[in-house]
Amino acid sequence: AQKVTQAQTEISVVEKEDVTLDCVYETRDTTYYLFWYKQPPSGELVFLIRRNSFDEQNEISGRYSWNFQKSTSSFNFTITASQVVDSAVYFCALSEAGGNNRLAFGKGNQVVVIP
Amino acid sequence: ETGVTQSPTHLIKTRGQQVTLRCSSQSGHNTVSWYQQALGQGPQFIFQYYREEENGRGNFPPRFSGLQFPNYSSELNVNALELDDSALYLCASSLSRTSGGETQYFGPGTRLLVL
Repeated sequence: AQKVTQAQTEISVVEKEDVTLDCVYETRDTTYYLFWYKQPPSGELVFLIRRNSFDEQNEISGRYSWNFQKSTSSFNFTITASQVVDSAVYFCALSEAGGNNRLAFGKGNQVVVIP
Repeated sequence: ETGVTQSPTHLIKTRGQQVTLRCSSQSGHNTVSWYQQALGQGPQFIFQYYREEENGRGNFPPRFSGLQFPNYSSELNVNALELDDSALYLCASSLSRTSGGETQYFGPGTRLLVL
């Protein structure tokens, strides 16, 4: 069964600081996909990034970067130089290749950026 | 390109009533998934529809049912509403029903309150 754990609940940072969100996942599939979504107060989940289990290359996209390590089953996400507009709940999610594309979400991290 | 839309945005019902929520998928997407998000929690997968047939179901009772129409729009029906059904209901569409990994794009959600 697929499972995602996001340990931190609320994280407060001062504007322009970096913030890293931790995500640990469990799956029995060898092929799987990991996602990060952002949920602002309006409620809509906004897709941020997607990685597959065969690609551990870490990348940077604008102010977002991620660190995918299969050895520790972690998929951490960093926002560099945070801005007030980054205040939201961030969810890590997993789908398995054999699981008809259903997403298993963690409980989310509430990020509060203080101006 | 039109994104995922949902209606209504808010709904108040009383225990025992029935409710229908609606979702229009993003242009070109033929797969729709429904999620329930309780307050302070991550979304939970309810079920998925592909080409008008249910394609996978989460741990929800049969009083949660759905439909998908030829234009790929979808409905979520909940009978015999219970207080615990109060939640944000999210619809997501994706490009196709693959074995997993397709990015799902979410609508703004319907907030249901059961009194």
